[in-house]
Amino acid sequence: AQKITQTQPGMFVQEKEAVTLDCTYDTSDPSYGLFWYKQPSSGEMIFLIYQGSYDQQNATEGRYSLNFQKARKSANLVISASQLGDSAMYFCAMTSDKLIFGTGTRLQVFP
Amino acid sequence: DVKVTQSSRYLVKRTGEKVFLECVQDMDHENMFWYRQDPGLGLRLIYFSYDVKMKEKGDIPEGYSVSREKKERFSLILESASTNQTSMYLCASSPPGGDNEKLFFGSGTQLSVL
Repeated sequence: AQKITQTQPGMFVQEKEAVTLDCTYDTSDPSYGLFWYKQPSSGEMIFLIYQGSYDQQNATEGRYSLNFQKARKSANLVISASQLGDSAMYFCAMTSDKLIFGTGTRLQVFP
Repeated sequence: DVKVTQSSRYLVKRTGEKVFLECVQDMDHENMFWYRQDPGLGLRLIYFSYDVKMKEKGDIPEGYSVSREKKERFSLILESASTNQTSMYLCASSPPGGDNEKLFFGSGTQLSVL
């Protein structure tokens, strides 16, 4: 069975600092995809970044990077140079036959 | 701009009522999904559909059913609403493909069952 675990219910970071949001997963499927979504207070789910299980390099999208450690089954999100607008819920998700989500991490960026 | 539209942002219903949550996408996507989101539990998959008139149970289908008569529309039905179905409901769609197809989400329906 697939499983996604986010162990940090909440995180605080100062503006302009980097922050890492943790995500571990479990699947027996050799082919899978890993996603991060952002959900601001408005409620919309915003796609941030994707990593395929066969990708050799870590995915990056602007200030977002995904630290993919396949042997450890972890897919941590790194946000560099945090901004106040980064305050939101962040969800890690995995797909092999269907997309499942973790419980989320609430990130708060303070000045 | 691509869009997934959920018919109501907020909905209040009474216990025992039949409730319809509508979702329409304009991207010609084959795949559509219904999730519910609860604090501390994240998003949990209720039902999904990979084609018209096709449906598959997700992780928590009990108390729900779905209808997909047209490709663009995926409806979630609560046959007899109960208070434990008070939640945020999110609809999503994606094109067919492999593991790298991201989901496009609607803005959600906050359902309160009294």
